[in-house]
Parts: sequence; C-alpha cells; structure tokens
Amino acid sequence: GENVEQHPSTLSVQEGDSAVIKCTYSDSASNYFPWYKQELGKGPQLIIDIRSNVGEKKDQRIAVTLNKTAKHFSLHITETQPEDSAVYFCAASKDTNAGKSTFGDGTTLTVKP
Amino acid sequence: EPEVTQTPSHQVTQMGQEVILRCVPISNHLYFYWYRQILGQKVEFLVSFYNNEISEKSEIFDDQFSVERPDGSNFTLKIRSTKLEDSAMYFCASSRAANTGELFFGEGSRLTVL
Repeated sequence: GENVEQHPSTLSVQEGDSAVIKCTYSDSASNYFPWYKQELGKGPQLIIDIRSNVGEKKDQRIAVTLNKTAKHFSLHITETQPEDSAVYFCAASKDTNAGKSTFGDGTTLTVKP
Repeated sequence: EPEVTQTPSHQVTQMGQEVILRCVPISNHLYFYWYRQILGQKVEFLVSFYNNEISEKSEIFDDQFSVERPDGSNFTLKIRSTKLEDSAMYFCASSRAANTGELFFGEGSRLTVL
C-alpha cells in the first residue's frame, strides 16, 4: 500500500519568514496530493491540493510543488503569520478514490510573533 | 457555509461496551468516510461509503466496526465491543464525488475507552 513520509515533525519560524514542509510517497500510481491544516480541537481542513499532471500550484501565500519522478511534494508558506500556526498534514491518493487518502505524520508549525 | 457535523464531541465508555458515533454529512455530498486519529499520530482511513454500501475499508476496520446510513441525513460508525486501543478521535468526512478529491471533515468525536 501507499506510504507517506513527512518532514519535519516540528517547525518553528518567525512571523514573516517562509515555511517549507516536505513529503515523499511510495506508490507511483498516486496522483492526487492534498494538504490539510488542523487547528487544535478541529478536523483537518483542505488548504491546497495538486494533481500529478501539474508541477506547481499557488494560492496566495501557499504553494505546493510536485516532483513525480522523485515522488515528493512540498508545501511552501510565505510571509507566515501567527494564525498559520497549526498541524499540517500531507496526503496521497489515487483520484479514482480520492477519499481514501494516506496521510503523513503531520508537521506542527509554530509562527512566533 | 455547509459543514459536516458530528456527535457526540466526546464519549467515555467502558471496555466492551458498544458505541455509536454520528455524523451529518454535507447535504449534496454522495461519498462518506470515517477516519481515525490516535492522539499525536497521523490521520488513518477507516472506511468509505457510497450508494448505501461500503466501497472500501482499511485493515483497521475489522468486524467490530460497522457503518450505516439509517436515513437521508445521518451516517453512523458503530464499534460493537470497544477495546482500549479504540481510544482516538474519529473524524467523519464527505465529498461530492469520489474523484474530486476535496474532503470536508467534521470536528471529530473523541472516544475514550476505560
């Protein structure tokens, strides 16, 4: 089955700096890669996703890159703000059944004011 | 904005007892899911449900677990005889279609088995 590894497990940055979280996956058939933000006591919320026919996608301060050959994808947050502090999860799935996602272990991001 | 709602937010039960966790998915969604998150660990897929039947399940989803859509709005997860290791946060999610990708998660039900 699919295995997703995520690094780092914790990340602390100063407000305004950039944050990068990296994930690798094992199943070359995976073609849908969402990123979720989970705030304390809440469920994961999709913040951005990318499909394997695209190398990069950007939405305001958030961008995701995908390297299919190397089987890794990354989340980039620029101009971080304290409200970006949360746990971020990457995931991988096949879009024929995108709901069955394999999640990474999560990264706890702390943005210090 | 429509959202997935889950009840109860927290349930404490004795080992061996049956537990039912309830979810109301977003009304025009067709695919429903249960995920589990043990404290401090990753979110794990349990089961997907479409057209009144299970479409896929993980190895975690053994005979102790069952899901049901008893009416047009609720989607339930039943654990028949709870074990200590069932203690976790259980998240319900829904999506419009299987291949659009975006899952909408509820806020979760925390289950504590004593």
